[in-house]
Amino acid sequence: SAVISQKPSRDICQRGTSLTIQCQVDSQVTMMFWYRQQPGQSLTLIATANQGSEATYESGFVIDKFPISRPNLTFSTLTVSNMSPEDSSIYLCSVGAGRSGANVLTFGAGSRLTVL
Amino acid sequence: AQSVTQLGSHVSVSEGALVLLRCNYSSSVPPYLFWYVQYPNQGLQLLLKYTSAATLVKGINGFEAEFKKSETSFHLTKPSAHMSDAAEYFCAVRVNSGNTPLVFGKGTRLSVIA
Repeated sequence: SAVISQKPSRDICQRGTSLTIQCQVDSQVTMMFWYRQQPGQSLTLIATANQGSEATYESGFVIDKFPISRPNLTFSTLTVSNMSPEDSSIYLCSVGAGRSGANVLTFGAGSRLTVL
Repeated sequence: AQSVTQLGSHVSVSEGALVLLRCNYSSSVPPYLFWYVQYPNQGLQLLLKYTSAATLVKGINGFEAEFKKSETSFHLTKPSAHMSDAAEYFCAVRVNSGNTPLVFGKGTRLSVIA
């Protein structure tokens, strides 16, 4: 399975600032998925990033708040813009392998953001 | 839309006791089902997955899960709990074929008491 590296692993941010999270995969993948895990909660899909096209956002998430870049098949970034304490979460990127519905999603270790 | 429901946000068992974590799914078509584990301050790790090849699925660390269509369930079990099993467990579903995202349940935190 793919190996995913996320940066930063954690950060403490000030209200109103923006932070960009990087996700690097050791192999080429078509789809990358960005999830949010709020404290004590489950994972919620933010968006799907397909190389060469605009990211597709889930209900409740907008591009102005969470802009995503996908410049090539091994890399993606997620920016959390104009942060507030409610954005304090773990942000995870994930990738799948293959085209079958049975393919497993592999996750990065996550980026833990605390907004003061 | 597909979804999974995990019954019990927190389960506590004694070391050596049976572990049973419940997951029910909602889907109009045969789903693909997954169990992931998240240890404290770590990412998610796949325990096992159901892909219709067999209803009883064996995973890592002695865990297994049985797909029961009549009950729309995919409960996770382990005969004997170990202290190292203490973690958060997530059930997830994918209905569509292809490289699509997973929908996760709310998770169940497993505590193991010595």
